[in-house]
Amino acid sequence: AQSVTQPDIHITVSEGASLELRCNYSYGATPYLFWYVQSPGQGLQLLLKYFSGDTLVQGIKGFEAEFKRSQSSFNLRKPSVHWSDAAEYFCAVGPSWDYKLSFGAGTTVTVRA
Amino acid sequence: DGGITQSPKYLFRKEGQNVTLSCEQNLNHDAMYWYRQDPGQGLRLIYYSQIVNDFQKGDIAEGYSVSREKKESFPLTVTSAQKNPTAFYLCASSIGKNGNQPQHFGDGTRLSIL
Repeated sequence: AQSVTQPDIHITVSEGASLELRCNYSYGATPYLFWYVQSPGQGLQLLLKYFSGDTLVQGIKGFEAEFKRSQSSFNLRKPSVHWSDAAEYFCAVGPSWDYKLSFGAGTTVTVRA
Repeated sequence: DGGITQSPKYLFRKEGQNVTLSCEQNLNHDAMYWYRQDPGQGLRLIYYSQIVNDFQKGDIAEGYSVSREKKESFPLTVTSAQKNPTAFYLCASSIGKNGNQPQHFGDGTRLSIL
């Protein structure tokens, strides 16, 4: 069965600093990978996705993620964080033959001035 | 604008009462999903539907029921059998058919017990 681990429950960063959120997955083949962001009291918004090809994918809001097969990881990064990036971030994994996703527990990001 | 509409935004349930959460989409998506979100647990799949008049149980279906009579609608009923219904409920949809289609989410319904 597929599973997703986000090791960091909460991260605090200063505005303008870089951000990296970790995501590790367990799956027998190359999965489809997603990062979503959730502002308080709202639904999830897709940041980016990886299916195949270039292992560095660009998303919206200046985010990027790198797929590393050898480490079973799909970490999310942003070079310079803005106060509006404070939110909860979810990594999700799904098999290529199905569209059921497994979500990580989420990482809450706090941005300090 | 196309999207997913969930209503109501807040809902209160009395003991022994069934309540229904609405989810409507105008994206012309085939697949629809219901998730439950609890703090620190991420999203857990309750039910999903790939096509009208068909749906499957997810990981935590006990105490919930759904219907899919129309492509655009996928209501969720939280029954009295669900003993711990307090949570944030999210509805999603996707084009379906294979895993490379991302899911689009509504803004959620927060259910609480009176």
